[in-house]
Formats: sequence, C-alpha cells, structure tokens
Amino acid sequence: ETGVTQSPTHLIKTRGQQVTLRCSSQSGHNTVSWYQQALGQGPQFIFQYYREEENGRGNFPPRFSGLQFPNYSSELNVNALELDDSALYLCASSPVGGAYTGELFFGEGSRLTVL
Amino acid sequence: AQTVTQSQPEMSVQEAETVTLSCTYDTSESDYYLFWYKQPPSRQMILVIRQEAYKQQNATENRFSVNFQKAAKSFSLKISDSQLGDAAMYFCASHVTGTASKLTFGTGTRLQVTL
Repeated sequence: ETGVTQSPTHLIKTRGQQVTLRCSSQSGHNTVSWYQQALGQGPQFIFQYYREEENGRGNFPPRFSGLQFPNYSSELNVNALELDDSALYLCASSPVGGAYTGELFFGEGSRLTVL
Repeated sequence: AQTVTQSQPEMSVQEAETVTLSCTYDTSESDYYLFWYKQPPSRQMILVIRQEAYKQQNATENRFSVNFQKAAKSFSLKISDSQLGDAAMYFCASHVTGTASKLTFGTGTRLQVTL
C-alpha cells in the first residue's frame, strides 16, 4: 500500500513568485488536507478538500488555494510569496469518514524557502 | 477556538527508562479526540496514540500510554522502556469531531534518548 507522497521535497523561490506543491493521497483515501509548519512550530491547518471542493479552511489568506483531482490527488498553490511563507508544507489524506474523527495520514512534506 | 499547550520544549531520557511528556488543551466542545504524533528527522508526522474524549479508559499502544484527565484538560504521554528510535519531536493535537480534518497542534517537545 503506497502512503501519502509529496513533491517536490525541497524548493527555493523568491518573494512575489508563485509555487505549486503536489500530493498523492494514500490508496482508498478520498479527503486531503494541507498544513503549514513553520520552523520550531506545530503544523497549522490550511484547508481540506473533499469531492474536489474545499470544505474547511484555517486562518490563511486567499492567496493560498488548492485543487483536488478525480483521483483524489491534490495541489496547493501559493501566490505572491512572502518571506513568512517559508515553511514545511504537509499533506495528509483521510479514508472515507476518517476526516470526521481526525484520522490523518501524513506525507513527508515539501520544504519551501522564500528568499 | 481550540488551543494546545506543550510546556516542555525539550526532554531527555536514558535508554530503557520511562519518560512523560505533558500536554494541556482547551476546548468548549464535548466531542473531540486527542492525539500524540511523532515527527522524526524524516519530517513525516506519525500517529503514536489516539484518545477519544468520551472514553474514560486511557489509551495504550505497546510502550506508549496516555494519562487523560478530562476535567483538568490534561493529556500526557508516557513512553516506557525508551529506545533510541524514540528520539524525535512529539506533538500533542486536538480535533473536534466533525470539523473537517482540522487538527490543532501544540508547539512540540523534542525528546532525546541517551545511552
């Protein structure tokens, strides 16, 4: 069984640029969520996607957006990058009904550095 | 709003000994879950143990057990017979049932295991 995979593992961008991060959910999982983990902090919930629609969002501005595809994979897009966007971005998937009870399976993350 | 507090930035334990990591949380909800996650240098968040708030019995998973004090809103993790592989960041998290896949994390405790 393949777990949650994310790409790229590391990337460097400059302020003002745009970035797309990708996530393949674990087999059989239909819900994907994204978290931002700044250095020395715990992860913070960005949003969740279910049935290709965003259905839950944390305290993040609209320049953070996402997509979910029919195969349940997902993308996180961040526009107009700021220095504070430098962080580890974690993707998590949940099995059917699992998101309701917080059952999350995480990937290894994408480390974004904004210069 | 949910808050999770971990007051121990770092802890150290000798191999084969027992260590307890502390966590307090705040919620006005009655139906929620509590979690301990481990994050090794590989960055992947790995679920260690989960507690359902309506269950009075403390959860256990092999060498890992929790002390869940609902009235005090305390949720500590005990690791018995510590192993070198237990060295990692440990995060406490809460989830209100039905709130998408939004987990609220603490700031983490770095656990060192010495010979």
